[in-house]
Amino acid sequence: GENVEQHPSTLSVQEGDSAVIKCTYSDSASNYFPWYKQELGKRPQLIIDIRSNVGEKKDQRIAVTLNKTAKHFSLHITETQPEDSAVYFCAASKGGRRALTFGSGTRLQVQP
Amino acid sequence: GAVVSQHPSWVICKSGTSVKIECRSLDFQATTMFWYRQFPKQSLMLMATSNEGSKATYEQGVEKDKFLINHASLTLSTLTVTSAHPEDSSFYICSARTGGTTDTQYFGPGTRLTVL
Repeated sequence: GENVEQHPSTLSVQEGDSAVIKCTYSDSASNYFPWYKQELGKRPQLIIDIRSNVGEKKDQRIAVTLNKTAKHFSLHITETQPEDSAVYFCAASKGGRRALTFGSGTRLQVQP
Repeated sequence: GAVVSQHPSWVICKSGTSVKIECRSLDFQATTMFWYRQFPKQSLMLMATSNEGSKATYEQGVEKDKFLINHASLTLSTLTVTSAHPEDSSFYICSARTGGTTDTQYFGPGTRLTVL
């Protein structure tokens, strides 16, 4: 089955700096890659996603890049703010009725 | 985005009792829903895929007789933890796929189960 690895496990940045989280996946048939933000005790919230027919997608301060050949995708957050502090999960799926396979999560701490 | 509700948000029960958790898609129909389990400071682990009108598909290592899943309609899936034990204490989260061209997965708020 699919295996998703995520790095780093923790990331601390100063407010205003950029943060980058990287994930790799194993199944070349995966074609959907969402990123979720989860605050303590809350549900994962979809923040951005990308499909395999696109190499990059941006939404304000958040961007995701996908390299299908290398089977890795990354989340970029620019101009970080303290409210960006949370756990971020990447995931991969083959679409259709398939479930998501999650990475292990990255705890992002933005220092004011 | 689409809204998924989950009930109850938390439950405390005695060992040996059964607990039912409901997951509803409020503004869309979901032919497929998923149940995840999350331990503190860990990732989400898929337990089973719930398909409307058919039997759920369980992941390896998940006891189907212990975690009963019923997808009664296009907007409701239930997870029943039978004969719960302290090791079943966890955060259970459901999700539902919107399908169609957007085909995005949205999560419920989760249910924190504590078995005494």
